[in-house]
Amino acid sequence: AQRVTQPEKLLSVFKGAPVELKCNYSYSGSPELFWYVQYSRQRLQLLLRHISRESIKGFTADLNKGETSFHLKKPFAQEEDSAMYYCALTPGTSGTYKYIFGTGTRLKVLA
Amino acid sequence: KAGVTQTPRYLIKTRGQQVTLSCSPISGHRSVSWYQQTPGQGLQFLFEYFSETQRNKGNFPGRFSGRQFSNSRSEMNVSTLELGDSALYLCASSSGQGTSPLHFGNGTRLTVT
Repeated sequence: AQRVTQPEKLLSVFKGAPVELKCNYSYSGSPELFWYVQYSRQRLQLLLRHISRESIKGFTADLNKGETSFHLKKPFAQEEDSAMYYCALTPGTSGTYKYIFGTGTRLKVLA
Repeated sequence: KAGVTQTPRYLIKTRGQQVTLSCSPISGHRSVSWYQQTPGQGLQFLFEYFSETQRNKGNFPGRFSGRQFSNSRSEMNVSTLELGDSALYLCASSSGQGTSPLHFGNGTRLTVT
């Protein structure tokens, strides 16, 4: 079954501490992985995608096909990083136009 | 560029009624997809439309239907509402090519009493 698992509902860290939001997926194939973020009172928006291999707002995520994981990391958390984070996948093959989302992790960065 | 617009923002309906939600995508985007968001389940895929054709459908009962118009605007209809249909319904648009990322609206919060 196609599934995205985010094991933590809530993650609290202190400002300046490293952050890792976990994401594991189950999919037989080569999916494309994304992280979406929702800040307070804002709409859900794309944070980064694995094929871009770029760092956005200091966040990076590496696709580990062996462990089927796509964890989101940031070395030094900031208060403005507090938000709801969703990991998502979409099949990499054309003709399947849907995204499968995890249940989300709320990140709270404490002062 | 204007973002994805969903109307109305809030709806309160009674069990057994039907409801229609509307979504206007970003200009130039031809794909519109719909998701149901609930606290316990997260975002669940309902369906996706591209150039007025439904390309994919999630695992929801037939009471949930949608359509897309020639200007790419989309509507979602839920008939015979149940209490469990209470949720935030999100619309997202994209170019629809390959695995293009989604651009979300603010959602319509539906409450069924």
